[in-house]
Amino acid sequence: GQSLEQPSEVTAVEGAIVQINCTYQTSGFYGLSWYQQHDGGAPTFLSYNALDGLEETGRFSSFLSRSDSYGYLLLQELQMKDSASYFCAVRGLEGGSYIPTFGRGTSLIVHP
Amino acid sequence: KAGVTQTPRYLIKTRGQQVTLSCSPISGHRSVSWYQQTPGQGLQFLFEYFSETQRNKGNFPGRFSGRQFSNSRSEMNVSTLELGDSALYLCASSLASGRSTDTQYFGPGTRLTVL
Repeated sequence: GQSLEQPSEVTAVEGAIVQINCTYQTSGFYGLSWYQQHDGGAPTFLSYNALDGLEETGRFSSFLSRSDSYGYLLLQELQMKDSASYFCAVRGLEGGSYIPTFGRGTSLIVHP
Repeated sequence: KAGVTQTPRYLIKTRGQQVTLSCSPISGHRSVSWYQQTPGQGLQFLFEYFSETQRNKGNFPGRFSGRQFSNSRSEMNVSTLELGDSALYLCASSLASGRSTDTQYFGPGTRLTVL
């Protein structure tokens, strides 16, 4: 099966930088995705890494190391609105189907 | 462009009943996936449809089923409801299917409560 590990909670202050790590186990790896979900809201796509390295999108960056089965999401210049849950997700081959599996989520709390 | 829409937004049912949830994807998107989100199990994949065909299926019992219509709208059905089926059911749409489907756009979800 597939599994992902990410911290349950991370706290930081406004304006700081925070990194949310994700380690995964999967067969037939096809990429690591990150989603943001505010309380009561729907998950929103943030980034996708299929190859090793860093992908940057504004204040958010995502990194992948396939050899280490590891990735992280980097949030810079934190704002109060960044307080949300962040999920990493992988899609792997399982039982003939391409199954997306999500981590349990990291609750990011940004303090003023 | 309008986002993913789901109806109804809230639903209360009793054990043993069945329920049908509806999802309209973003215009032009042909893939629709369904997920169940609960505090205990997190976000879990139910199934994915592309061009009216189920392409991928998660590890859920046969009580959970779905279909997709020619206009890409999708429905999921849960029969013989159990208390444990209480959850937020999310629909996500994307342009493609299979391993390339990693940019998904989620709808607001249907909150199902089973009493």
